[in-house]
Amino acid sequence: QLQLQQSGPGLVKPSETLSLTCNVSGDSISGGRFYWDWIRQTPGKGLEWIGSLTYGGATAYNPSLKGRVTISVDTSTNQFSLKLTSLSATDTAIYYCARLVLWTYQYDSWGQGTLVTVSS
Amino acid sequence: DIQMTQSPSSLSASVGDRVTITCRASETISNYLNWYQQRPGKAPKLLIYAVSSLQSGVPSRFSGSGSGTEFALTISNVQPEDFVTYYCHQSYTTPYTFGHGTRLEIK
Repeated sequence: QLQLQQSGPGLVKPSETLSLTCNVSGDSISGGRFYWDWIRQTPGKGLEWIGSLTYGGATAYNPSLKGRVTISVDTSTNQFSLKLTSLSATDTAIYYCARLVLWTYQYDSWGQGTLVTVSS
Repeated sequence: DIQMTQSPSSLSASVGDRVTITCRASETISNYLNWYQQRPGKAPKLLIYAVSSLQSGVPSRFSGSGSGTEFALTISNVQPEDFVTYYCHQSYTTPYTFGHGTRLEIK
């Protein structure tokens, strides 16, 4: 049974960097049938795609985040991570990791979500 | 970015009703349209993918239709557990985008 378990802080100070990790169990992150994504949700903007990690390690990011985002993978621990720099209050959101199924491109499994508040 | 306009933003219905939620894309997205259900405090759950394919384990009262830029999610015989929020999602091109949601409320 696939499980995506998120970890990371719930409170981060403005201008600092957010680091979240998604531990994948029940599937290999290196398998060739899925991408591994981060999505966030706010009451104002709704659901926003942050970026994707492909099985080959390539990445794609939302241009709206203006180069502040990095998604990386650790195949030895079957985890992938999100780093978002230069945080401001507008980055306050619930952050989700999710699995994207190729080639129909739907999210069939999600992490539990992490509420991240940016505040001093 | 492709804009996804979902309507209505809220919808009142009774148990047993048939309801339809629509989603319009700002440009054609082929069949890369998915629907999710979200309960309060929970992550979204996949209902329908590729316009009309029912995700495994999802009740058959949920169905999807449409093509090009106009899509719909229909719930026939609405059940008490269906009164939550629904989102459409285009995965035709990045940045992937979502509708702003439709909250289904009990009449």
